[in-house]
Amino acid sequence: QKEVEQDPGPLSVPEGAIVSLNCTYSNSAFQYFMWYRQYSRKGPELLMYTYSSGNKEDGRFTAQVDKSSKYISLFIRDSQPSDSATYLCAPLSSGAGSYQLTFGKGTKLSVIP
Amino acid sequence: DSGVTQTPKHLITATGQRVTLRCSPRSGDLSVYWYQQSLDQGLQFLIQYYNGEERAKGNILERFSAQQFPDLHSELNLSSLELGDSALYFCASSALAGEVAGELFFGEGSRLTVL
Repeated sequence: QKEVEQDPGPLSVPEGAIVSLNCTYSNSAFQYFMWYRQYSRKGPELLMYTYSSGNKEDGRFTAQVDKSSKYISLFIRDSQPSDSATYLCAPLSSGAGSYQLTFGKGTKLSVIP
Repeated sequence: DSGVTQTPKHLITATGQRVTLRCSPRSGDLSVYWYQQSLDQGLQFLIQYYNGEERAKGNILERFSAQQFPDLHSELNLSSLELGDSALYFCASSALAGEVAGELFFGEGSRLTVL
């Protein structure tokens, strides 16, 4: 079993739709949960993160973590064509002065005008 | 613009050859990470350097090596190249202190094609 599982999609939605992107993970040591966004032909960039369980909201984006079920979600409200990208979940582990991100394979999202 | 510079952007070479990918981190960042991204494996962590020293190792093949120089730029050396090494190679940097833990700043990648 891979440490982080993410449905690669692709996922295609109409503009204005609510999008739900999900990951599962197996390592209980993960404490921070990051979401990176990667536009075509670009490097990933940090979108938002949560610590431990719970929700975090940032504008149209909400990140949610349920540590009991090892489930990570990212919700996008009122999706826009500019949200079209690949979204990668990336739980974080740390130790010995080093931070390690374990990336999911990413879900490719297309928002159709 | 993340502030991380990678060269070359594209590279085409033959099996058995050796290539060097170069990365300049964001100004002031001490930590450099190398990742390999392919369609079937996703983004795989290869190796991390912090202020010139190797800090962590991931799924890096023995044919691959890296180093970080005193000016903090880093190079990833790939040798005895195989078709399966064709991928996007990303460099990322972070400060590891005073910023969000886990916030890496990625370059735009070097696309390697092995024929």
